[in-house]
Amino acid sequence: NAGVTQTPKFQVLKTGQSMTLQCAQDMNHEYMSWYRQDPGMGLRLIHYSVGAGITDQGEVPNGYNVSRSTTEDFPLRLLSAAPSQTSVYFCASSYSAGSYEQYFGPGTRLTVT
Amino acid sequence: AQSVTQLGSHVSVSEGALVLLRCNYSSSVPPYLFWYVQYPNQGLQLLLKYTSAATLVKGINGFEAEFKKSETSFHLTKPSAHMSDAAEYFCAVNLNNDMRFGAGTRLTVKP
Repeated sequence: NAGVTQTPKFQVLKTGQSMTLQCAQDMNHEYMSWYRQDPGMGLRLIHYSVGAGITDQGEVPNGYNVSRSTTEDFPLRLLSAAPSQTSVYFCASSYSAGSYEQYFGPGTRLTVT
Repeated sequence: AQSVTQLGSHVSVSEGALVLLRCNYSSSVPPYLFWYVQYPNQGLQLLLKYTSAATLVKGINGFEAEFKKSETSFHLTKPSAHMSDAAEYFCAVNLNNDMRFGAGTRLTVKP
């Protein structure tokens, strides 16, 4: 049982490049989410999904796209990277939304130059 | 939208002393409340959560938190700090799938 896995661990992009951050979970969780963590700002919700085929925006969705074609995978796409997207990105999953514990992946540290 | 305020970005205590990390929330209705801990270069781990079953919630590693609706607070406490408690702690609120985290409090434990 690997839990929540994220790849890559580190990534450097140039402004304007695109890329996909991968997230997978093997716990059959319905709810998955993406956060970014910036110093002094805690974690901010980017997008979330309550099940395969269903996604919704969080607090800071601009510049990011998501899709959920399977229960296991929830990739995050950066369409045209900007320096403001330099951050640590965490994927999380839980059995369902609401009061259930979220399990976090190890994070991806992204630098945009 | 709901929000979370953590008072004090850094808290320093001596080993064996009381730990008190403060969290206040704003929400139109009582939300679900959580405390998470993050050790360096790791993801977050749940310490405890409030789901309206009981106002005093006990979590892992000897931590507990009390929900006070009148004060819109959910402060985290531990009677006696241990060196291994040094980490960053996040309070979070979930209402209608919208999860909001506080800015975090870094706890330092002095020997």
